Amino acid sequence: AQRVTQPEKLLSVFKGAPVELKCNYSYSGSPELFWYVQYSRQRLQLLLRHISRESIKGFTADLNKGETSFHLKKPFAQEEDSAMYYCALLRTNAGKSTFGDGTTLTVKP
Amino acid sequence: DTEVTQTPKHLVMGMTNKKSLKCEQHMGHRAMYWYKQKAKKPPELMFVYSYEKLSINESVPSRFSPECPNSSLLNLHLHALQPEDSALYLCASSQLGGGADTQYFGPGTRLTVL
Repeated sequence: AQRVTQPEKLLSVFKGAPVELKCNYSYSGSPELFWYVQYSRQRLQLLLRHISRESIKGFTADLNKGETSFHLKKPFAQEEDSAMYYCALLRTNAGKSTFGDGTTLTVKP
Repeated sequence: DTEVTQTPKHLVMGMTNKKSLKCEQHMGHRAMYWYKQKAKKPPELMFVYSYEKLSINESVPSRFSPECPNSSLLNLHLHALQPEDSALYLCASSQLGGGADTQYFGPGTRLTVL
């Protein structure tokens, strides 16, 4: 069975501080991992996916297969980063997805 | 058009009503999804359509009936729902190019069952 764990329900940092949102997964196959973000009153939208290895809005995430983790990081948090962040695992070709419970990030001025 | 649209935005229905939720995308995506999201919880997958055929049903009760009339349109027919079915219903679509595709989400329909 596939499982995604986001251990922190709430995370609060000050503007300009580094931020790391944790995500651990369990899956026996080759996982494809995503981070989605949901700003207040907006739709769920893709932030980044591990396969593209890109940086979006200053966020990066590295897939660590040894530790089965896909933590989301940003060196300098901004107030506009305040949102709900979901880590998601998608099984290749099956369309079946599993979301973590989400982390609410608050960036204080 | 790079968006997934959903109608209605809000729906209130009684337990004996029959209603439908509609989802539309014009991005040429060949996979479409229904999710249910309760307050402060992650989306839970309900159904997946690939090339207009139902490929995944996550043991959803039969009072929810999906339909994919064409590659751009996805409906969710509702009948005899329970108050605990009140939630945000999200539609998503993806390209189906092989591998796990990025899913693009609609804004959702907020359903209240009285």
